[in-house]
Amino acid sequence: DQQVKQNSPSLSVQEGRISILNCDYTNSMFDYFLWYKKYPAEGPTFLISISSIKDKNEDGRFTVFLNKSAKHLSLHIVPSQPGDSAVYFCAASAGSSYKLIFGSGTRLLVRP
Amino acid sequence: NAGVMQNPRHLVRRRGQEARLRCSPMKGHSHVYWYRQLPEEGLKFMVYLQKENIIDESGMPKERFSAEFPKEGPSILRIQQVVRGDSAAYFCASSPTTGREQFFGPGTRLTVL
Repeated sequence: DQQVKQNSPSLSVQEGRISILNCDYTNSMFDYFLWYKKYPAEGPTFLISISSIKDKNEDGRFTVFLNKSAKHLSLHIVPSQPGDSAVYFCAASAGSSYKLIFGSGTRLLVRP
Repeated sequence: NAGVMQNPRHLVRRRGQEARLRCSPMKGHSHVYWYRQLPEEGLKFMVYLQKENIIDESGMPKERFSAEFPKEGPSILRIQQVVRGDSAAYFCASSPTTGREQFFGPGTRLTVL
């Protein structure tokens, strides 16, 4: 039972354009969502998070949008840079539970 | 300010041996989490510890796996009598409070021959 789904295993984008990574969840108890970036042979690096009381959070080139009614969130990267090429994981947690539930990841390739 | 430290980075064990994975959280962090990542999959929660206490071990297999976070020293994830299916990347994360962001170490890649 996959509670957090990233249905696109890969995405290829031209440098300078927008990258949009999507994530769907099924558990309505999730109230906090995070995006992590991961390079090969390294640990995940925290990028940005959003609480369910908000529908948007922005940090530099990264913006996360949350649509609670659709149980959907997305990460926008603009403008995309070749250094953004990595695997991006969406994660969620519920209330007082500390465990993060991860999606399976989307591999982003930003072409120069 | 050093990040989360994990060692060894790579560990090779034969079936039936024991594996010990160590994690030192970020300075000032007293909460440690262990996750496992199988190839081409996301990370799966295993256990959450505070100093000297296991808070949630719901993701950890009931047999052969144990974790501790002593008053002094790193957190240890111990796998006894390893099997090939234990081959994975094991990541440790820490957080300063019961806050929601967790910061990950570089991982230990366990290979069971």
